[in-house]
Order: sequence, then C-alpha cells, then structure tokens
Amino acid sequence: NAGVTQTPKFQVLKTGQSMTLQCAQDMNHNSMYWYRQDPGMGLRLIYYSASEGTTDKGEVPNGYNVSRLNKREFSLRLESAAPSQTSVYFCASSDSFRVAKNIQYFGAGTRLSVL
Amino acid sequence: GDSVTQMEGPVTLSEEAFLTINCTYTATGYPSLFWYVQYPGEGLQLLLKATKADDKGSNKGFEATYRKETTSFHLEKGSVQVSDSAVYFCALSGGSYIPTFGRGTSLIVHP
Repeated sequence: NAGVTQTPKFQVLKTGQSMTLQCAQDMNHNSMYWYRQDPGMGLRLIYYSASEGTTDKGEVPNGYNVSRLNKREFSLRLESAAPSQTSVYFCASSDSFRVAKNIQYFGAGTRLSVL
Repeated sequence: GDSVTQMEGPVTLSEEAFLTINCTYTATGYPSLFWYVQYPGEGLQLLLKATKADDKGSNKGFEATYRKETTSFHLEKGSVQVSDSAVYFCALSGGSYIPTFGRGTSLIVHP
C-alpha cells in the first residue's frame, strides 16, 4: 500500500532556480494539500485542491503554484526559489465529504534547501 | 476562525512516566478532533480521533477525550516508552476541506 508518494525526498537549489515537487495518492481521495513545516511554526497550508479541477490558496501561497493534474496527482512548483523557501514540504490527501472522515494522509516529505 | 492551541515543548520524560499534552480549540459547530504523530524523518500519521462530545479516542496506549464544555482534547498515556519520542499535533476538522493544526509538541523520552 503506497498511500501518498512524494518525490524527490531531498533537493538542494540555488536562489532563482525552479523546481516541481510531485505528489501522488492511490487512495481515490478527492482532496489534496501542500504544507510546509518550519521549526516552531508547525504546519502551514500552501495550497489545496478540494476536488479534481479546483485549486485554492492556503495560508502561505506566495512564491508557489500548483497543478491538480488528475485525481491522483497534485504538484507544487517553485518558479524562482528563495532562501526563505528552505523547508520541509508535505503533501497530504483526504476523503473530505464527511466531517468524521476528514483524516489526512501524509507523504514522507521533501526536504528542500535553497542556497 | 478555527484555531488549535497546544502546549509548547519539548516535553522530556523518563521511560514509564505519565504523559499529558494539553490541547484546546476554538471552532464553530461540532468539529471532529484528532491527534497526529510525526516520528523523526517521517510524515504525520493519525494517532487517534473523536467525532463528538464525550467520545474517547484511543490507540497504542494513548487516549484523549473530547470535552466540549472545556473545548479541550488532551492527550494522555499512562506509561511512555522511548519509542514514543516524536512530535504530536492536535488538529480539528470543522467540515470544510481545510483542517486546522496546532504547532506541535515534541516529546523526548529517556531510558
């Protein structure tokens, strides 16, 4: 059971470079999310996709773009990386139509350093 | 809006000690409440949940009771082990697509 798969696991970028973080889930979930985790800040939502074909901004969207490619895949793009985007990025998915079922399933994370 | 407040860490305990991690919340309506755990180098995973007032969630010896009168969902374990060392996140889901997480509490258990 793969669950939520993120690639790559580690990445080092130079300031100004671009990259795309990939995420795929095999649980037939409707909703997908991108978070960043920084020391002392907990999880902050970057973007989410409530269902296939829709995306919306979260708490900290600046500097990022997303694509919900299909029901399984949700990618996060950094167009021009900045040192402030050094973080651990988590993708998550959930079956969100009912409150009690809104459990989130997380990938293992991408550890990104921007020099 | 919805919010979750949990005690700051790190919480440092000796093996077999009693654990409490406090969590309080603010939400409209009747949210579901969750505890997630993050082991070193991994993503978050669900530890337990409760979906209505007075429900008790439990898993792996951990328990938490949904207290609507005090808007709390404190995490407890009677005897912690070194393997419980992790970061614990309290969270709520109010029926939107966007759950709300606390900032996390780091637990360190010494042998």
